[in-house]
Amino acid sequence: DGGITQSPKYLFRKEGQNVTLSCEQNLNHDAMYWYRQDPGQGLRLIYYSQIVNDFQKGDIAEGYSVSREKKESFPLTVTSAQKNPTAFYLCATRAGGIYEQYFGPGTRLTVT
Amino acid sequence: AQSVTQLDSHVSVSEGTPVLLRCNYSSSYSPSLFWYVQHPNKGLQLLLKYTSAATLVKGINGFEAEFKKSETSFHLTKPSAHMSDAAEYFCVEARDSGYSTLTFGKGTMLLVSP
Repeated sequence: DGGITQSPKYLFRKEGQNVTLSCEQNLNHDAMYWYRQDPGQGLRLIYYSQIVNDFQKGDIAEGYSVSREKKESFPLTVTSAQKNPTAFYLCATRAGGIYEQYFGPGTRLTVT
Repeated sequence: AQSVTQLDSHVSVSEGTPVLLRCNYSSSYSPSLFWYVQHPNKGLQLLLKYTSAATLVKGINGFEAEFKKSETSFHLTKPSAHMSDAAEYFCVEARDSGYSTLTFGKGTMLLVSP
């Protein structure tokens, strides 16, 4: 996990509330990613950003939003429009010129 | 669309016996392939990667994988399982479109009994 921080580890929210998940990195990597993990589903890409002030939708972007104002930070907001937000959320980074990604420890979000 | 198929959702072995986790990829190009491991409620850790060099790739903790283009396979093996190997394993392929994103298999849970 070293160098990628996700906070908090566990997060609880009521239905209808927006919630923002934090991802910070000190690896000086250009690219950052957000994934959602559900049991038996593998990881699904929500959003990614290859440079500051630019980001692209992944496979399941509906109900989520992101920003990339600083190289070190890529926060994810889970909006009330996301129909099934309860999941384990993972942030990852990638250095330029390589293909593998490095993952943070994750945030488990529970919405009731 | 690219897809990665992990052929077993669960694999059970006894400590000290060999491990085989099976993976098939779909890319028709020369792929970049990875195996990651995830312990419960943790992030993913890179075990090994194949990027068109040697077809037998050695990783951490005694794991290795063999790339077989004729079979479109990238199976993960370990000669002798340890209790600490119990975790979920993901086979992953870099997508053809610029290699900036990854396609994940659904995962194989490895159970190790004493």
